[in-house]
Amino acid sequence: DAGVIQSPRHEVTEMGQEVTLRCKPISGHNSLFWYRQTMMRGLELLIYFNNNVPIDDSGMPEDRFSAKMPNASFSTLKIQPSEPRDSAVYFCASSPQTGTPEAFFGQGTRLTVV
Amino acid sequence: DAKTTQPNSMESNEEEPVHLPCNHSTISGTDYIHWYRQLPSQGPEYVIHGLTSNVNNRMASLAIAEDRKSSTLILHRATLRDAAVYYCILRASGTYKYIFGTGTRLKVLA
Repeated sequence: DAGVIQSPRHEVTEMGQEVTLRCKPISGHNSLFWYRQTMMRGLELLIYFNNNVPIDDSGMPEDRFSAKMPNASFSTLKIQPSEPRDSAVYFCASSPQTGTPEAFFGQGTRLTVV
Repeated sequence: DAKTTQPNSMESNEEEPVHLPCNHSTISGTDYIHWYRQLPSQGPEYVIHGLTSNVNNRMASLAIAEDRKSSTLILHRATLRDAAVYYCILRASGTYKYIFGTGTRLKVLA
């Protein structure tokens, strides 16, 4: 398996623009997570899905952020409108619900909002 | 979510054992103890996890105190590739989310 695949790897956008980050989880994994990492706040859990259903979105910073999982093999995190303080590395992770519930992380998307 | 406390940083010499401590005094009886590490410019990766008994795998060993209020991740022979931030995380049974703290930055000296 290729692991968790995120795209793009790097994104530079202007303040006010819409940004969409994409994630393909590992096939067969039931849980999917979006994290954000900054120097100031470390790794923050934004939202997680079980079987394509959002279970906990308490970490989503504000209404500008939204996440969807239309099927088991794809998820998006959208920021609209983007602001400079959204600059961070965004990680997607997936995990099976059986066996060892180990979370597998993607390589991340480095977002810069100028 | 129960919290963990780890030292901010540690140093080790190459090829020597490393003991990374974690305190979790508010752990509940059904919380699992997980360790992840994050190498530079990469996403976190799973290292090991346990509930009550000590655990060994190809990467490391996990020693859990009898009262479960603390645990220690043991790298038996540190290599330069082990330089990373190591996170100790408690996961409640039946949930699948991981809340990361600040972790311990391990520096390995050649």
